[in-house]
Amino acid sequence: QVRLVQSEAAVKTPGASVKISCTASGYNFRNYAIHWVRQAPGQRPEWMGWFMPAKGNAEFSRKFQGRVAITRDTFASTDHLEVFTLGSDDTAVYYCVRSRFVTFGGAAHWGQGTLVTVSS
Amino acid sequence: QMTQSPSTLSATVGDRVTITCRASQSISNWLSWYQQKPGTAPKVLIYRASTLESGVPSRFSGSGSGTEFTLTISSLQPDDFATYYCLEYKNFSEWTFGQGTKVEMK
Repeated sequence: QVRLVQSEAAVKTPGASVKISCTASGYNFRNYAIHWVRQAPGQRPEWMGWFMPAKGNAEFSRKFQGRVAITRDTFASTDHLEVFTLGSDDTAVYYCVRSRFVTFGGAAHWGQGTLVTVSS
Repeated sequence: QMTQSPSTLSATVGDRVTITCRASQSISNWLSWYQQKPGTAPKVLIYRASTLESGVPSRFSGSGSGTEFTLTISSLQPDDFATYYCLEYKNFSEWTFGQGTKVEMK
């Protein structure tokens, strides 16, 4: 079955960067998009961006444009999310999510989440 | 933009529970519903507005199309106390979640 396993929790100081990994199994990784969603404490989930395998690049929410990067290592079946210049409001659980179909179908499969805490 | 209501709902076991999401423009039936418990990822209950995800109990149902959508729990069970979110996915990306509804014990 589809499985997404994320890297461990991280604690960062303001201004630092964090890189989170998401390793997939149980399906043909190279064909499917992976989205990144974050959820701050007590808040609704928020879509950040996605990697589009057909184009070989990523697209981002306007809110995160220029401050995040998404890369893919097809051989390792792993996507990475990197967030730069962290602030305290970046404290959240970050999820990788696979859509139901190759590029469409909403958030069907979720990783377990990676807690990022930004604190001085 | 997705407007979800109510934000909190107090109910007892056996109650019929209804949660609503309203879209600012038509999204056809590109909407799904999720249940989330503390410390865990959201779990999909319903997709395409009314299709029950495999393994989800039949007491959960979804309806609606266009701009108005409803999640119904026909008879609330102890395991159903949680927070529920709707998600619109009319586009390939730029997903938008509702604000969430916390179902708590009355």
